[in-house]
Amino acid sequence: EIVLTQSPATLSLSPGERATLSCRASQSVSSYLAWYQQQPGQAPRLLIYDASNRATGIPARFSGSGSGTDFTLTISSLEPEDFAVYYCQQRSNRPPTFGQGTKVEIK
Amino acid sequence: EVQLLESGGGLVQPGGSLRLSCAASGFTFSSYAMSWVRQAPGKGLEWVSVTSDSGGSTYYADSVKGRFTISRDNSKNTLYLQMNSLRAEDTAIYYCAKAIYTSSWYHFDYWGQGSLVTVSS
Repeated sequence: EIVLTQSPATLSLSPGERATLSCRASQSVSSYLAWYQQQPGQAPRLLIYDASNRATGIPARFSGSGSGTDFTLTISSLEPEDFAVYYCQQRSNRPPTFGQGTKVEIK
Repeated sequence: EVQLLESGGGLVQPGGSLRLSCAASGFTFSSYAMSWVRQAPGKGLEWVSVTSDSGGSTYYADSVKGRFTISRDNSKNTLYLQMNSLRAEDTAIYYCAKAIYTSSWYHFDYWGQGSLVTVSS
């Protein structure tokens, strides 16, 4: 199965700062990569699909890029509600797999 | 508004069985694949199973194959997960998710709030 490695494990930033999260795949997943946000005690929410497409209702401050094995989720200016855990997920091969998560915490 | 509401979780002994349900509303249930994804306490996400829109095709993670069965009743807009021979490592929150297939495989655009399954003696 394809292994997704996210970095860093934790990102400590202040509101208004730019966040850059990385996801690296063990083999090419083309552009079949999604990003999810999970707030404490809540279900995951789809942010980005197919590497760079924002899901319905997702603010423009969230953007995704990359293809092949290296992907990035960027939050241009952190809002208080953006402090959460973020997961990447590939759908190139079965089984679909998730990264281990990056926690974005308030500095 | 898409809503997914899981039920049926609880405490079960190792080797026991449990059936989860997921009631869907706000979209044409019979037109979409549906999936189960789980999250062990304090851990990341693990895909469990998916069923096609008709229920005619099903797939499982190796960790649950032969023990879990996914099914759906499109007349009731409900997704199910029958879990048998439960193990301690199956302890997790189980999320029902609407699955999107455009090419290759699935991502998940809407999720329920989850149902906690605890396997312990």
